Amino acid sequence: SQTIHQWPATLVQPVGSPLSLECTVEGTSNPNLYWYRQAAGRGLQLLFYSVGIGQISSEVPQNLSASRPQDRQFILSSKKLLLSDSGFYLCAWSGWELRGETQYFGPGTRLLVL
Amino acid sequence: AQSVAQPEDQVNVAEGNPLTVKCTYSVSGNPYLFWYVQYPNRGLQFLLKYITGDNLVKGSYGFEAEFNKSQTSFHLKKPSALVSDSALYFCAVRDGYSGGGADGLTFGKGTHLIIQP
Repeated sequence: SQTIHQWPATLVQPVGSPLSLECTVEGTSNPNLYWYRQAAGRGLQLLFYSVGIGQISSEVPQNLSASRPQDRQFILSSKKLLLSDSGFYLCAWSGWELRGETQYFGPGTRLLVL
Repeated sequence: AQSVAQPEDQVNVAEGNPLTVKCTYSVSGNPYLFWYVQYPNRGLQFLLKYITGDNLVKGSYGFEAEFNKSQTSFHLKKPSALVSDSALYFCAVRDGYSGGGADGLTFGKGTHLIIQP
């Protein structure tokens, strides 16, 4: 069966520091991968998605970037964190279904920027 | 552009009573509709989806949802609520016009479901 991991689970970082969040998927090949941000316990916003290694699409221009160095690894980064980057970051994957690919979410990383 | 509206921030239901969580959507093509549940400090769990076929879709934990094309709605329902159903519920949509692909989902703002013993 497929599983998705995210780490760290919780992170407290000062403003201006760098960020690296990691997401890995097991039990599937060539998944579509996604990064979402959830602010204040509500409403998910799609940040990035990827259909393959090195292929990243950005939905919202901002202080963050994403990379996919391996087939089942998706990394969210920032060079300098802002207070507004605080939130709950969720990684998701989807496989190839006939239609309507279902997205499955990881446990999330809670980021607090102080 | 696609959008999802969940008109209720919170729904309160007594245990054992039927529950409904409302969702309406807007897409330019065929809607692919999803419901997810989130427990505190956890990721989202997939409940059910509508792609095509029967308008009544059955999912996990006894939940079901009814697709209504004329009203552009996809309300989540359960015949008898449990205290353990208390959580945050999200409706999501993707435009299926382009067929398969990696497009992200557009989520509603979520509805807190509170089941009172």
